[in-house]
Amino acid sequence: SAVISQKPSRDICQRGTSLTIQCQVDSQVTMMFWYRQQPGQSLTLIATANQGSEATYESGFVIDKFPISRPNLTFSTLTVSNMSPEDSSIYLCSVGLTSYEQYFGPGTRLTVT
Amino acid sequence: EDQVTQSPEALRLQEGESSSLNCSYTVSGLRGLFWYRQDPGKGPEFLFTLYSAGEEKEKERLKATLTKKESFLHITAPKPEDSATYLCAVQAYNFNKFYFGSGTKLNVKP
Repeated sequence: SAVISQKPSRDICQRGTSLTIQCQVDSQVTMMFWYRQQPGQSLTLIATANQGSEATYESGFVIDKFPISRPNLTFSTLTVSNMSPEDSSIYLCSVGLTSYEQYFGPGTRLTVT
Repeated sequence: EDQVTQSPEALRLQEGESSSLNCSYTVSGLRGLFWYRQDPGKGPEFLFTLYSAGEEKEKERLKATLTKKESFLHITAPKPEDSATYLCAVQAYNFNKFYFGSGTKLNVKP
């Protein structure tokens, strides 16, 4: 398994601002993912964070709104840009291991006012 | 299109009352089916991976089984601490992407 931490754990932000969420893993991993979980909903994949190249975004998510960085094999950031109340969600990072399992961080609870 | 459907949406049990949660899936070439437990305000906690039909995995009061079309999570003599949302996800051979179901919210009353 892997130990994953996220910062911040929660934040309340003003409409129109941006927030960068950090994800740190205790070991080197190839695959890192970012998910969104809206209140009472299941997980929706935003993008796959690739080390050394641009992230791969899922349908409905664009780089201008959710820029992602992956500078090395243990760290990634997700920025939520120009926020609106509809962006209020829990944002989760996960890592994929060689056994195809994914392990999740504790999440960042974002509230946009 | 790859899909995952979980039922029931919510389940209330008395402590000690065994039951099963269902995860039906359609995917082109199943690489794996994964069960997670999620407590309120926390990230999903990995429980099991199942790779092929007929496979079973057990952990304490939980037992996961897999057929070609669905998976069951059997909960034997549940305790209040088993209360959580249980999520299943599938992964296809051609992609690293997980398709998650909407989850079953389990509430076990003492």
